[in-house]
Parts: sequence; structure tokens; C-alpha cells
Amino acid sequence: GEDVEQSLFLSVREGDSSVINCTYTDSSSTYLYWYKQEPGAGLQLLTYIFSNMDMKQDQRLTVLLNKKDKHLSLRIADTQTGDSAIYFCAESDNAGNMLTFGGGTRLMVKP
Amino acid sequence: EAQVTQNPRYLITVTGKKLTVTCSQNMNHEYMSWYRQDPGLGLRQIYYSMNVEVTDKGDVPEGYKVSRKEKRNFPLILESPSPNQTSLYFCASSRSGANSPLHFGNGTRLTVT
Repeated sequence: GEDVEQSLFLSVREGDSSVINCTYTDSSSTYLYWYKQEPGAGLQLLTYIFSNMDMKQDQRLTVLLNKKDKHLSLRIADTQTGDSAIYFCAESDNAGNMLTFGGGTRLMVKP
Repeated sequence: EAQVTQNPRYLITVTGKKLTVTCSQNMNHEYMSWYRQDPGLGLRQIYYSMNVEVTDKGDVPEGYKVSRKEKRNFPLILESPSPNQTSLYFCASSRSGANSPLHFGNGTRLTVT
């Protein structure tokens, strides 16, 4: 089955850029997503990228997709303390029935 | 306000005592899904439903049941809970399948002793 991998933890200083990486296995994925989870809350959709795109920018967020290496990254510019959360990448299956999540990357932003 | 509502938020129960976690969405979404979240494992899909009366197994369906009698509701049933089902559960919905953005509930933390 599909497998999505992320590093567990990332620590950055306020104002720096954060880069969260993700690798996936299903080359037929149609959409790849980034979700954010704050303490005690459900997941909130941050952004997504269609599989035929290489890059998507949305304000402070930049998503890069390398289909050849099956690598997805999320860059957060000018990281703020309010960005501290767990970030999940996820891929949809080809049929659009199921979403497979990575284990999540905990981002800690130090003042 | 568009939302996915789960109840209860917290539940402590004993092994073997049947329980139901409710999930309701007010966005007229066709797709609904249940996930469990465990440390280091991310979210794993339990069951999903593409529409009323249509349900399918996800990656970890053992020990769970679901039903989709109405479009807005998608309850998760544990007929005989066991301690390995202690977890954080999330319900989610989308307009049409996993290729539409998912809207999540706030989660139900279940402890089975």
C-alpha cells in the first residue's frame, strides 16, 4: 500500500524559514496535501498541489513537488510562534477514495 | 457555520462495553471518513463512505463498524472495545472523495481500560 514518510521534529527561530519534507510512494496520486494540527484541535487544510504542478505559492507558504523523486516539501517563510504545530502531508489514491497521511512533523518555533 | 461535529470529546470506558461516537456535518458533503491518530503513526483511515448507504474499509477497520443512513451522519461503532483501541479519533468530510479538501472534526479521545 501507499506509504508517506516525514521527519518527526523541526525547530527553528522566529523569522527564519522552515522547510518540512515528505516522501511518498504512490506515483499515481492526484493531489498532495499539507494539513496543520494545533493542540487539541482537528486538522486544518493549509494548502494542496495537483500532481502535474511543480510549485505552488500561497502567501508565506511554498509547496515544491518533485515527482521523479516522489518528494514534497512545505516552506514557511518568516516563521512565527503561531506556526508551532504538527504538520501532516497526505496523498490521495488514484481513485480519490482514500487519503494516506504521514506521521506528522512537529514544528517548534523559538522566539 | 460550516463544521464537522463529533461527540463526545472525551470518553473513558471498559473493555467489552459497546460504544458509539457520533459525527455530523452540515455542508451537504458526500464523502465522510473516520481516522485514528496514534503517536508516530499519523492518521490511519478506519472506514470511509462515498455516499449514503455506501461504506468501505480503510487501512485499519478491524474492531469497528460504521453506518451511513443519512448524508449528514456517520457514526463509528465499537461493538466490543479493547485497550488497543485507545486512541484519538477524527471524523472528516469532503464534497466528493479524497480529491476534495477534507474538513475535520475536533476529535474524540477514547480510553479503554
